[in-house]
Amino acid sequence: GQQLNQSPQSMFIQEGEDVSMNCTSSSIFNTWLWYKQDPGEGPVLLIALYKAGELTSNGRLTAQFGITRKDSFLNISASIPSDVGIYFCAGYSGGGADGLTFGKGTHLIIQP
Amino acid sequence: DAGVTQSPTHLIKTRGQQVTLRCSPKSGHDTVSWYQQALGQGPQFIFQYYEEEERQRGNFPDRFSGHQFPNYSSELNVNALLLGDSALYLCASSLYEYEAFFGQGTRLTVV
Repeated sequence: GQQLNQSPQSMFIQEGEDVSMNCTSSSIFNTWLWYKQDPGEGPVLLIALYKAGELTSNGRLTAQFGITRKDSFLNISASIPSDVGIYFCAGYSGGGADGLTFGKGTHLIIQP
Repeated sequence: DAGVTQSPTHLIKTRGQQVTLRCSPKSGHDTVSWYQQALGQGPQFIFQYYEEEERQRGNFPDRFSGHQFPNYSSELNVNALLLGDSALYLCASSLYEYEAFFGQGTRLTVV
């Protein structure tokens, strides 16, 4: 089945730094989504991307849908303490596919 | 506007028992999907319901079944529980298949 490779697995950053994470797939996806999950909570949708090459922002977050439709990246600018959490990419291939396919997540940790 | 709500939030069951989890979708959403999230992993798709029918199914055994009611709420049933079924079970609702909004999940522990 389809798998998403998400990297890095974890990131240790200083407050105020910019963050970049990415997701790659062996298969094509028609939609890419980025979620954030806090401990004990469900994932919260951050950004949805629908077209190859699309670049979309949501506040300090920017995500891009790769032109090959096999990858996506998420950038966070000027990180703040509340950015701590696990970020998941998810892809949807459409046409009756099996729901969303998720990566294993990037754990963002902000060092004091 | 209430988002996706799930009940119960936590549950402890014994191997071999059966469990039912419940989900109320976000207002205006007609599609409900269920996911299983093991510790340290991303969510795995179980199945999706639309118009009270199972529309898509992931790679889960028949012990996992579901139902959608006319008000779009949904239940997930798991029979003959195994230790490996211990996980966070997430319900997601959507108006379109892909833009899913998740509930807070039900933490199921099988002992």
